[in-house]
This record gives sequence, structure tokens and C-alpha cells, in this order.
Amino acid sequence: EAQVTQNPRYLITVTGKKLTVTCSQNMNHEYMSWYRQDPGLGLRQIYYSMNVEVTDKGDVPEGYKVSRKEKRNFPLILESPSPNQTSLYFCASRRPLSTGGHYGYTFGSGTRLTVV
Amino acid sequence: QKEVEQNSGPLSVPEGAIASLNCTYSDRGSQSFFWYRQYSGKSPELIMFIYSNGDKEDGRFTAQLNKASQYVSLLIRDSQPSDSATYLCAVISSGSARQLTFGSGTQLTVLP
Repeated sequence: EAQVTQNPRYLITVTGKKLTVTCSQNMNHEYMSWYRQDPGLGLRQIYYSMNVEVTDKGDVPEGYKVSRKEKRNFPLILESPSPNQTSLYFCASRRPLSTGGHYGYTFGSGTRLTVV
Repeated sequence: QKEVEQNSGPLSVPEGAIASLNCTYSDRGSQSFFWYRQYSGKSPELIMFIYSNGDKEDGRFTAQLNKASQYVSLLIRDSQPSDSATYLCAVISSGSARQLTFGSGTQLTVLP
């Protein structure tokens, strides 16, 4: 089944304790992205990647890091989490515009992060 | 000005009616437009995409695009209680990164 897999689904952590949220896709998509979703603010892009070793900042990158060493994986790293990073996080992937079919993002199931 | 704007709602329609959801965007060079449905606590699910001016129909859903007026809409015919969700409009920008920008969503409730 074509899918984007995120782990963990739920995470409660303490301020300052480094964490990684993993994301993997099995659709051979070049593009991957991380979004956070907060009430009233909608989905905001944190980082995106257009291919292996190619990443760039989205709208709200502060406090986050990413890496893209393999095409299928795009982990999100919070080096020193703070309470304002409490949110619902989504990883997503899509094919480039030049390929056939639709190129909307396919989303993972989400990770609900609470930083206390 | 937000890049993609939607009425936040909530929008309520009776079962069997047509629900009309609207979205405007600011980037005149945008080429690709998407509608996602998101149930509470779940991930967004792509339900429609449209790339050309005019209408595109898929079952009970019709997407309408007017690039001159910079708006895209979603019509849901014969609305069902199971259609109750938040509907997100998304646009791929004309910049080199071609990233997807979302509106804040319209919450739809279909009343039995």
C-alpha cells in the first residue's frame, strides 16, 4: 500500500530533550515536506526537500532541523524542544510537477507532540 | 494578505443540499489547485485537484477554477453527514520551489 509512515503517533517530552520524528514513504516521491498544524493557524510548512540532500526552509523553520540522506526518509529533529512547539505534525510526500498524475501531497497519519 | 484565503465557517447545510466552499489565492502565477478533506484529529486527504480553468467533476464533488478572478471552489452535491469535516484549499506557488500553501480551512457540518 502506498503510504507515508510517521512515528511516533503521540509523544510527550520535556523542554530541552532532543527528539526525532521519523517519516518514510514508499512511493519513490522526490518531494517531501513537514507541516505543523495549530488551531486557527492551519497547516504551516516547516521544511521541505526536493530530493536527496536538497532541503530548504518553509514558513516556520525556527527550532527544527531536517535531513534527507535517502529518498524515502525525511526525519524531523527538534534539538531543544520548547512548549511552543507543542503541535500536530504531518509529514507529506509528492511527485514533481513534471511527472504524470496528480502531484498533491500524500500525508502521514500525524504526530501529536506535547512539550512540557 | 494571506496567500490562500478561505472562509473559516463554520458552514452548515442540511443533508441532501449542495455545500459550496470557496477559496481565493494571491499568486497570479499559481497553476495547481487542490482540495483536501480533514476529519478531526486525522490527516488531510486529497479529494480533488484541478489545473485548468473551468469545472472538474468527480462523483458528488465538483471543483471550479477561475484563474482570472483567482478563485477556486468546491461543490459537494447531495451532502451527507459523513461529509462533515474541515476542507482545506491548497495551491502550488509559481516560485522555483513549487511548494504547496494551504488555506486555514472551512469547517463544514451536514445536518441530518
